[in-house]
Amino acid sequence: DIVMTQSPDSLAVSLGERATINCKSSQSVLSSSNNKNHLTWYQQKPGQPPKLLIYWASTRESGVPDRFSGSGSGTDFTLTISSLQAEDVAVYYCHQHYTFPLTFGQGTKVEIK
Amino acid sequence: EVQLLESGGGLVQPGGSLRLSCAASGFTFSSYAMTWVRQAPGKGLEWVSIISGSGGSTFYADSVKGRFTISRDSSKNTLYLQMSSLRVEDTALYYCAKGIAEVAPGSRILDYWGQGILVTVSS
Repeated sequence: DIVMTQSPDSLAVSLGERATINCKSSQSVLSSSNNKNHLTWYQQKPGQPPKLLIYWASTRESGVPDRFSGSGSGTDFTLTISSLQAEDVAVYYCHQHYTFPLTFGQGTKVEIK
Repeated sequence: EVQLLESGGGLVQPGGSLRLSCAASGFTFSSYAMTWVRQAPGKGLEWVSIISGSGGSTFYADSVKGRFTISRDSSKNTLYLQMSSLRVEDTALYYCAKGIAEVAPGSRILDYWGQGILVTVSS
């Protein structure tokens, strides 16, 4: 199984500052068949289901603010919130859909400092 | 508007069975793979199972393989998860979710999620 490890487990960032979340996979999730990283980022606010933010490691879902960006390839990925807003308080999960069983990272909780 | 509404959860004793349903609307149900993801209380997300649009292909997490069965009825636009031999560790909020694309691998990217249904396994 591919193990997804996020860091840190939690972080507190001041409003307007940058938040960076890392995700490392135990195996590469870069597909040679489509040259895409099968890595997705979800945001989950308290009491709500997860929301799709970023897929193919760096493609922003429609309607997601451009302060959210994804980068990385192979085994190392990053989700960046360029200017943290109050509504960004949530838990963020990375997810690999390269191979079964599909797996999620443990989550990173983002709070306001 | 895409809507996914889970039902069928509740309290069940260890070893018991339960069938979850997910009623879908707002899209061509038979064209999209559907997924179940669960979340134990206060814990992270765990992928459970996926079924192709046709229903002919299914995959399971090792933790539920042989105990859970995913299925779908396109005439009713409904996704199911039949759960048997339930264990205390199956206690979770179960979400159904829709794939963003009709075929793999995009079908494994989840763009719409239901609100979830709680399953509690306890004696």
